[in-house]
Amino acid sequence: GENVEQHPSTLSVQEGDSAVIKCTYSDSASNYFPWYKQELGKRPQLIIDIRSNVGEKKDQRIAVTLNKTAKHFSLHITETQPEDSAVYFCAAYDYKLSFGAGTTVTVRA
Amino acid sequence: SAVISQKPSRDICQRGTSLTIQCQVDSQVTMMFWYRQQPGQSLTLIATANQGSEATYESGFVIDKFPISRPNLTFSTLTVSNMSPEDSSIYLCSVGYQGVDTQYFGPGTRLTVL
Repeated sequence: GENVEQHPSTLSVQEGDSAVIKCTYSDSASNYFPWYKQELGKRPQLIIDIRSNVGEKKDQRIAVTLNKTAKHFSLHITETQPEDSAVYFCAAYDYKLSFGAGTTVTVRA
Repeated sequence: SAVISQKPSRDICQRGTSLTIQCQVDSQVTMMFWYRQQPGQSLTLIATANQGSEATYESGFVIDKFPISRPNLTFSTLTVSNMSPEDSSIYLCSVGYQGVDTQYFGPGTRLTVL
C-alpha cells in the first residue's frame, strides 16, 4: 500500500517568513495529493490540492509543487501569519487517502 | 461543499461498553468514510461506508469491533464496540463525490474510554 512520509515534524518560523513542508510517497499509481490544515480541536480543512497532471498550483499565499518522477510534493506558505499556526497533513490518493504524520507549524509574532 | 455534522461531539465511556457515532450530510454524497485520529497522531482510514451493503474495512479494522451502517446517501453510523482505553481517539467521518477524489471532513467525535 501507499506510504507517505512528511518532514519536518515541527516547524517554527518568524511571522512574515516562508514555511516549506515536504512529503514523499511510494505508490507511483497515486494521482491526487491534497493538503489539510488542522487547528487545535478542529476538523482537518482542505487548503489546496494538486493532481498528477500538474506540476504546480498556487492559491494566494500557499502553493504546492509536485515532482512525479521523484515522488515528492511540497507545500509552500509565504508571508506567514499567526493564523497559519496549525498542524498540516499531506496525503496521497491511489484508491484511498493515505496521510503523512503531520507537521506542527508555529508562527512567532 | 457539503455541511457535515457528527453526534455526539464528545463522550466519556466505560470500558466494555459500546458507542454509536452518527454522521449526517446536508446533501447526497457518493462516498462516506470513517477515520480514526489517535491523540497527537495522523488520520487512519477505518473503512468506507457503502450504501446498502457491507462496509469495506482497511487492514487492522474488523466489522465486529467497528460495525458501520449507511442506510442512505446522507447518513452513516460507526459503532465502537466493547471499548477499551486504547479506543480513546477522535473519530471523523468524511465525504466525497463520484469521480472526484476530494474529501471533506466532519467535525469529529472525541471519545475517551475510562
